[in-house]
Amino acid sequence: EAGVAQSPRYKIIEKRQSVAFWCNPISGHATLYWYQQILGQGPKLLIQFQNNGVVDDSQLPKDRFSAERLKGVDSTLKIQPAKLEDSAVYLCASSLTRAPPLHFGNGTRLTVT
Amino acid sequence: SQQGEEDPQALSIQEGENATMNCSYKTSINNLQWYRQNSGRGLVHLILIRSNEREKHSGRLRVTLDTSKKSSSLLITASRAADTASYFCATERTGANSKLTFGKGITLSVRP
Repeated sequence: EAGVAQSPRYKIIEKRQSVAFWCNPISGHATLYWYQQILGQGPKLLIQFQNNGVVDDSQLPKDRFSAERLKGVDSTLKIQPAKLEDSAVYLCASSLTRAPPLHFGNGTRLTVT
Repeated sequence: SQQGEEDPQALSIQEGENATMNCSYKTSINNLQWYRQNSGRGLVHLILIRSNEREKHSGRLRVTLDTSKKSSSLLITASRAADTASYFCATERTGANSKLTFGKGITLSVRP
C-alpha cells in the first residue's frame, strides 16, 4: 500500500509569513493526525481528525495554526503568522481507526528565519 | 506534556551486541508502543504491548511492561548497523479520547 504522502519536504520562510502543509493519508484510513517535532524531542500532537471531524485540538495554538480535512481524506495545516519557535518538522500520520498503529509520513521540515 | 521518559538518551554499541532501552511513564495506560525514526524520515511502528501484557516478542525485538513500576524496556538482540536510529516510546493513556504521547527518544548508534 502507498504510504502517507506529505508536501513540501522542506520550507524556509521569514517570521510573520504564512505557510501551508499538505498531507494525503493511506487510502481508507479514517483517522489523521498532525504532529510537531522540535529538534531533539518527540512528536507532539497538534490535532487529530476522525473522518472530517476534529477529535482533539487541545494543543493546537489556535491563534496562528489552523487545519482542515475536507471530505475526510487529505488535510492541510496552516501557520499564519509564523514565529521563530515554529521551526520544527511537521509530521502527518494516519490510522485505520482510532486504534494503533499510526503510519507516519516523512514530514515537512520548516525553518523560520 | 511528554508522558514517557526514555533512558538512556543515547546508546552506542557494536554490531552483534544487544541494545536495551528503557521507558518510564506517569499515569495509567491502555497500551505502550515503541517507534523507530531514521534520520530525516517519519516514525515507524515497531511493537505494541497492552496494559494486561507483561512481555511481547517480534523478530529480534522483545518488549516488557511493568505497570506497577510504570516502566517498559525494549531489547533489540543481535543488533545491526541498520538498527541505527532514534527510538521512541509512546503511551496511550486510559480514558475517553485518549491521545498517544511520545517521549523524547533514544539515539541508538550501532557500529559496524
